[in-house]
Amino acid sequence: GENVEQHPSTLSVQEGDSAVIKCTYSDSASNYFPWYKQELGKGPQLIIDIRSNVGEKKDQRIAVTLNKTAKHFSLHITETQPEDSAVYFCAARRNYGGSQGNLIFGKGTKLSVKP
Amino acid sequence: GAGVSQSPSNKVTEKGKDVELRCDPISGHTALYWYRQSLGQGLEFLIYFQGNSAPDKSGLPSDRFSAERTGGSVSTLTIQRTQQEDSAVYLCASSLYRDNEQFFGPGTRLTVL
Repeated sequence: GENVEQHPSTLSVQEGDSAVIKCTYSDSASNYFPWYKQELGKGPQLIIDIRSNVGEKKDQRIAVTLNKTAKHFSLHITETQPEDSAVYFCAARRNYGGSQGNLIFGKGTKLSVKP
Repeated sequence: GAGVSQSPSNKVTEKGKDVELRCDPISGHTALYWYRQSLGQGLEFLIYFQGNSAPDKSGLPSDRFSAERTGGSVSTLTIQRTQQEDSAVYLCASSLYRDNEQFFGPGTRLTVL
C-alpha cells in the first residue's frame, strides 16, 4: 500500500524566513496531495492541495510543488509569521480506476517561527 | 456554520473498560471518517462511511474497534476492552463527497490507565 515519508520532523525558522517541508510517497497511482495545518488542541485544517496533473500551486504565501517522476512533493511557506507555528501534515491518496482511496498521512512537521 | 463536533473532548478510562466516542459531522456531508493520532505520529485511517453504503473498515486495528453511523449523520466509535496502547487522539472528519475537502473535528483525547 501507500507509504508517505515526511521531513523534517521539526523545523525552526526566524520570522520572515522561508520554510520548506518535503514528503515522498511510494504509490505511483497516487494523484491527490493535500497539506494540513494542525494548531494545538485543534483538528487538522486543509491549507492547500495539488493534483497530479499540476506541477505547482500557489496561494498567497503558501506554495506546493509536485514531482511525479521522483514521487515527492513539497510545501513552501514564504515570509513566515509567528502564527504559522503549528504541525503540518502531508498526505497522499490514490485513484483506484476512478474510485478514490483513503488519505495516507505523513508523520508531521512541527514548525516554530521565532519572532 | 457549525463545523464537525466531537464528544467528549477528553476521556480517561481504566484498562478493560469500553468507551464510546461521538462525532457530529457537518450537515449534508455524505462522507465521514475516523482517524487515530498517536503521540508524534501522523493520522492513521480507521474507518470510512459513505452515505448508506457498507463502511470501509480496512483501517480498524482489531476487532475491539467498531463504528456505526446512524441515519447517515452522527457516528459513534466504540472501543471494547480498552488497552493502554489505545491511548491517542481520535479525530473525526466529514466531507461533502469522498473527493471533496475533509473537515476535521477537534478530536477526543483518550487516556487508558
